[in-house]
Amino acid sequence: GEDVEQSLFLSVREGDSSVINCTYTDSSSTYLYWYKQEPGAGLQLLTYIFSNMDMKQDQRLTVLLNKKDKHLSLRIADTQTGDSAIYFCAETASAGKSTFGDGTTLTVKP
Amino acid sequence: EAGVAQSPRYKIIEKRQSVAFWCNPISGHATLYWYQRILGQGPKLLIQFQNNGVVDDSQLPKDRFSAERLKGVDSTLKIQPAKLEDSAVYLCASSPSDGSYGYTFGSGTRLTVV
Repeated sequence: GEDVEQSLFLSVREGDSSVINCTYTDSSSTYLYWYKQEPGAGLQLLTYIFSNMDMKQDQRLTVLLNKKDKHLSLRIADTQTGDSAIYFCAETASAGKSTFGDGTTLTVKP
Repeated sequence: EAGVAQSPRYKIIEKRQSVAFWCNPISGHATLYWYQRILGQGPKLLIQFQNNGVVDDSQLPKDRFSAERLKGVDSTLKIQPAKLEDSAVYLCASSPSDGSYGYTFGSGTRLTVV
């Protein structure tokens, strides 16, 4: 079945760039997503990318997709302490059912 | 617009008891999902509804879990009887159509089975 893998932890200093990586197995994935979960809150959709795109930029966020290697990354420029959260990678292949990774906990140190 | 509403926020029950969770999706959203998130893991799909019909319940442990979506709006998820391994956060999400553009999640119900 589908599988999505992420590294569990990332720690950066405030002002640095953060890069969170994700790999997936389903070659028929059509959409890929990044969700953010802040402490005590629910999952919030950050951004998504269609599988025929290589890159998507939205303010401080840059999503890169390498479809050949089935690799997705999320870059956060000028990382702030408010960016500390768990980031989930997810993919959808069919019928709108999303498969999620286990999440990467981003810690931003002042 | 109002978000996805879930209740209760927290529930503690003893094993073998039953429990029910409620979800009210965003108005007009056709598709509703229940996900289970065990500590340290990502959300795992339990069941997906399109309006009031089931699209996918292949991962729902049907011997103890049941779900319904009345009139294509609110939904309830029930566990009877609960096991210790059911301790998790139960997340409800909705999307306008087939979920291609992502979901809106509720805050979840944290279930502890003791």
